Amino acid sequence: KAGVTQTPRYLIKTRGQQVTLSCSPISGHRSVSWYQQTPGQGLQFLFEYFSETQRNKGNFPGRFSGRQFSNSRSEMNVSTLELGDSALYLCASSREGRIANIQYFGAGTRLSVL
Amino acid sequence: AQKITQTQPGMFVQEKEAVTLDCTYDTSDPSYGLFWYKQPSSGEMIFLIYQGSYDQQNATEGRYSLNFQKARKSANLVISASQLGDSAMYFCAMREGREGSTLGRLYFGRGTQLTVWP
Repeated sequence: KAGVTQTPRYLIKTRGQQVTLSCSPISGHRSVSWYQQTPGQGLQFLFEYFSETQRNKGNFPGRFSGRQFSNSRSEMNVSTLELGDSALYLCASSREGRIANIQYFGAGTRLSVL
Repeated sequence: AQKITQTQPGMFVQEKEAVTLDCTYDTSDPSYGLFWYKQPSSGEMIFLIYQGSYDQQNATEGRYSLNFQKARKSANLVISASQLGDSAMYFCAMREGREGSTLGRLYFGRGTQLTVWP
């Protein structure tokens, strides 16, 4: 069974540009969550999608957005990139968003903003 | 207040020895789940073990066990017979909400860097 796939693995952008990251969940998983990981702030929750609906959102500016498609694949978009957006972006999928459902993570997309 | 606290930034253990990684949590929800993940230098988060707040027994998965002390709000990870490949960052995480909740958010600690030496 294929795991969570994130593309691209590495990305270099310049300030002011926008970027789109993609996440394909494990087959059968309908919940997709996104996290940002930086050395300074650690792992921070961005948002969660379930059945194409955003159910939960972390404390990030409106430049960060996402969506989920009918096949559960998800994308997140960051507009007007800032240097501080450089981070590892992790996507996780689970069957649903229930407490006991394990979130399985992808390998991440490492974004560098120059 | 921090939801998850991991007080050990780094831990060292000799191969084949056991090691305990500390985790305390803070929640007012009666129903919650506790998770441990391993993150090697490659970046991928690997699920290790899960403990539900209503579980009577401590969770075990192979060489991993979770020492769950509900009254103290602690959920320490015990790795028995450490291996060189266990060297990685370890994160404790929590999900809150009553059963049936559809909120999938995980709260993470800052992690503990474990180094296993020969």
